[in-house]
Amino acid sequence: DAKTTQPNSMESNEEEPVHLPCNHSTISGTDYIHWYRQLPSQGPEYVIHGLTSNVNNRMASLAIAEDRKSSTLILHRATLRDAAVYYCIPRGQGAQKLVFGQGTRLTINP
Amino acid sequence: DAGITQSPRHKVTETGTPVTLRCHQTENHRYMYWYRQDPGHGLRLIHYSYGVKDTDKGEVSDGYSVSRSKTEDFLLTLESATSSQTSVYFCAISESQANSPLHFGNGTRLTVT
Repeated sequence: DAKTTQPNSMESNEEEPVHLPCNHSTISGTDYIHWYRQLPSQGPEYVIHGLTSNVNNRMASLAIAEDRKSSTLILHRATLRDAAVYYCIPRGQGAQKLVFGQGTRLTINP
Repeated sequence: DAGITQSPRHKVTETGTPVTLRCHQTENHRYMYWYRQDPGHGLRLIHYSYGVKDTDKGEVSDGYSVSRSKTEDFLLTLESATSSQTSVYFCAISESQANSPLHFGNGTRLTVT
């Protein structure tokens, strides 16, 4: 299983962009990179995933390094509602055992 | 939202009693997971299932057992509850493909007194 490294915490201001990094240097060539977030007192929710190319959806963008050993989740214009713990997790084909790291606790200042 | 229902949503029980938590899905997903989350901590995998009657241990499986007799239900049993098992328990489901996301239930808050 590929291990991930994320900063324990980050802080940003409302309406500013936020870049959340994740290192996954042992990722396999066919592993997708998934991101989840967990709002206070709620269950985790899926945010975005990608393989090689950068990806965009209504929630965020995902920038994947060319060597795939790291990725960055981008919140283009943070709101207070984006305050959450963000997790990245690689997933391979047929991977069954999905273990989460500690994630990054994002604080958004008004 | 993916069709995942966890029951009960809240439970208080006494040390030494058995407890069963249920996760029910209507998505026909092959994989199901049980995680626990303690205050201020991340998700820890307890057990997972990759098909009917196919289960395996996660990171923190001691004191827990699971069963999956049909696709839609994944049961987590605390054989003899201890105070250290006070936690919030999350169920998740997924397809097997690498690009398939996990969908989580709303959690069960268990208190062992």
